[in-house]
Amino acid sequence: AQKITQTQPGMFVQEKEAVTLDCTYDTSDPSYGLFWYKQPSSGEMIFLIYQGSYDQQNATEGRYSLNFQKARKSANLVISASQLGDSAMYFCAMRAPYNTDKLIFGTGTRLQVFP
Amino acid sequence: DGGITQSPKYLFRKEGQNVTLSCEQNLNHDAMYWYRQDPGQGLRLIYYSQIVNDFQKGDIAEGYSVSREKKESFPLTVTSAQKNPTAFYLCASMGTGGATKNIQYFGAGTRLSVL
Repeated sequence: AQKITQTQPGMFVQEKEAVTLDCTYDTSDPSYGLFWYKQPSSGEMIFLIYQGSYDQQNATEGRYSLNFQKARKSANLVISASQLGDSAMYFCAMRAPYNTDKLIFGTGTRLQVFP
Repeated sequence: DGGITQSPKYLFRKEGQNVTLSCEQNLNHDAMYWYRQDPGQGLRLIYYSQIVNDFQKGDIAEGYSVSREKKESFPLTVTSAQKNPTAFYLCASMGTGGATKNIQYFGAGTRLSVL
């Protein structure tokens, strides 16, 4: 069965510093996708970054990068130069195979950025 | 602007009452999804639809019903059979081509409470 594990319930980082949010996954399927979403207090889920299992390079989107280590089954999110507006819940998710395209979510990490 | 609109933002249900949550998208996406989020948890899939007039049960479909009569709309009904409906409900849609292929985009959510 597919599973996403986020072991950090909460993280603190000072403004302008970099922070890494951990995510490990479990699947037996060779083809899968990994996603990170941000959920501010307003509740909406904001797509940040995507990594395909066959992608050779780590995905990057502006200040976000995904540290993809396939052998270790980890897909950590790195946020560089943290801003106060980065304070939110962050969810790692995996796309399940076999035509459903449903996302399997972890339990999230609450990031707080302080001045 | 293109996007996903959920309404209402807040909804209250009385015992024995059915309520319907609206989800509309103008992104021309074929696939649409309903997720439920409970406090401190990730999202769980309720129903999904990959094409008009077709939909499939997700992991927690009991007590819910959906319809997909139009590509743009995917309403969710929370029936009286759902004994614990208090949660945050998120609707998502996904395109099948271009740069946004395989990315699920979410609405702002509806928070449902039981009176």
